[in-house]
Amino acid sequence: EVVLTQSPATLSLSPGERATLSCRASQSVGSDLEWYQQKPGQPPRLLIYDAFNRATGIPARFSGSGSGTDFTLTISSLEAEDFAVYYCQHRHIWPLTFGGGTKVEIK
Amino acid sequence: EVQLLESGGGLVQPGGSLRLSCVASGFTFRSHAMSWVRQAPGKGLEWVSRISGSGAETNYADSVKGRFIISRDNSQNTLHLQLSSLRVEDTAVYYCAKGREAYSIFENWGQGTLVTVSS
Repeated sequence: EVVLTQSPATLSLSPGERATLSCRASQSVGSDLEWYQQKPGQPPRLLIYDAFNRATGIPARFSGSGSGTDFTLTISSLEAEDFAVYYCQHRHIWPLTFGGGTKVEIK
Repeated sequence: EVQLLESGGGLVQPGGSLRLSCVASGFTFRSHAMSWVRQAPGKGLEWVSRISGSGAETNYADSVKGRFIISRDNSQNTLHLQLSSLRVEDTAVYYCAKGREAYSIFENWGQGTLVTVSS
């Protein structure tokens, strides 16, 4: 099973700041890596697929990078609606797994 | 507009069974793999199971293998998850998720249905 480790667990930032979230895989997953955003009481929303492609309707301030074992989600300038929990997920082999999540909170 | 509507959750005793359903609309159901993903209260996301568009291929997390069965009825645009031998640790919100065609890229999610396993 591929273990995805997300860091940091919590990121405390102010609106307008840049957020950098990390996802590290225990073995290579190629580019088969997705990012989701989840707000309280809501289902997750797909942000990034195939490591760097923005999903439909996702603002350009969200970007993904990386391949193999190290991936990054960057939010270039945080807006109020971006404070949420972010998860990475791989689909390289079965079973699919999710990372433990990074909570982006208002400082 | 894609819609996924889960139902069937509730309170069940350990060892009991439950059947979840997810009715889909707004897309060609048979053309997309579908998955169930769960989230225990206050915890992260856990993928549970996936079924191909035709229903011929299924995959399961080790934690549910042999206890849960995923199925679909493409004539009714409905996805099912049969839960058996339920354990306290199966308590979670269960989400139905639509894959991007055959891929397990979860581009749409339902609102979820809560399963509580408790005596």
